[in-house]
Amino acid sequence: DQQVKQNSPSLSVQEGRISILNCDYTNSMFDYFLWYKKYPAEGPTFLISISSIKDKNEDGRFTVFLNKSAKHLSLHIVPSQPGDSAVYFCAADTGNQFYFGTGTSLTVIP
Amino acid sequence: KAGVTQTPRYLIKTRGQQVTLSCSPISGHRSVSWYQQTPGQGLQFLFEYFSETQRNKGNFPGRFSGRQFSNSRSEMNVSTLELGDSALYLCASSLVGQANTGELFFGEGSRLTVL
Repeated sequence: DQQVKQNSPSLSVQEGRISILNCDYTNSMFDYFLWYKKYPAEGPTFLISISSIKDKNEDGRFTVFLNKSAKHLSLHIVPSQPGDSAVYFCAADTGNQFYFGTGTSLTVIP
Repeated sequence: KAGVTQTPRYLIKTRGQQVTLSCSPISGHRSVSWYQQTPGQGLQFLFEYFSETQRNKGNFPGRFSGRQFSNSRSEMNVSTLELGDSALYLCASSLVGQANTGELFFGEGSRLTVL
């Protein structure tokens, strides 16, 4: 049972434009959400997080939005750069265990 | 500061064999978690060890086991390998564990192929 879902396996965006990656979850007990980025042949690296008491968190070009009523979060990357091309995993935390989505492969076209 | 180190990076086994993977966490990190990554399934949580004790376990059969040593290094073992066990096995360490740490530090993974 996949409690965290990323329904878009891939996304292509032109350099300089906005990339929007989406994530849906089913468990209302999740109280912390994170995004990880993974390059080929490397382990995932932490990108940005948001607590369930907030609806937005911004870090430079990266902003995460949380809509608790819709059980949905999204990652916005503005402006997108070729170096952002990677697989992005959404994760949710119950305070006990992380649950990861299946990942979205982002390609930023120069 | 050295990152999370996993060995071996690649290995090939045949069905029915067993395998042991090793993970050395970042110095000072006491929690080690293991994940299985397969195409279309994302990262599936296997288990977490903290101070040599298994603190959490995912939904995997008993063929998957692990342990943690006093120096926080961890091993995971898969016995009676099946074709479906082919995957990238990722280890992650954190300072205090998965409870609201906000960040896991991952190794590069061990790529297991079962023939």
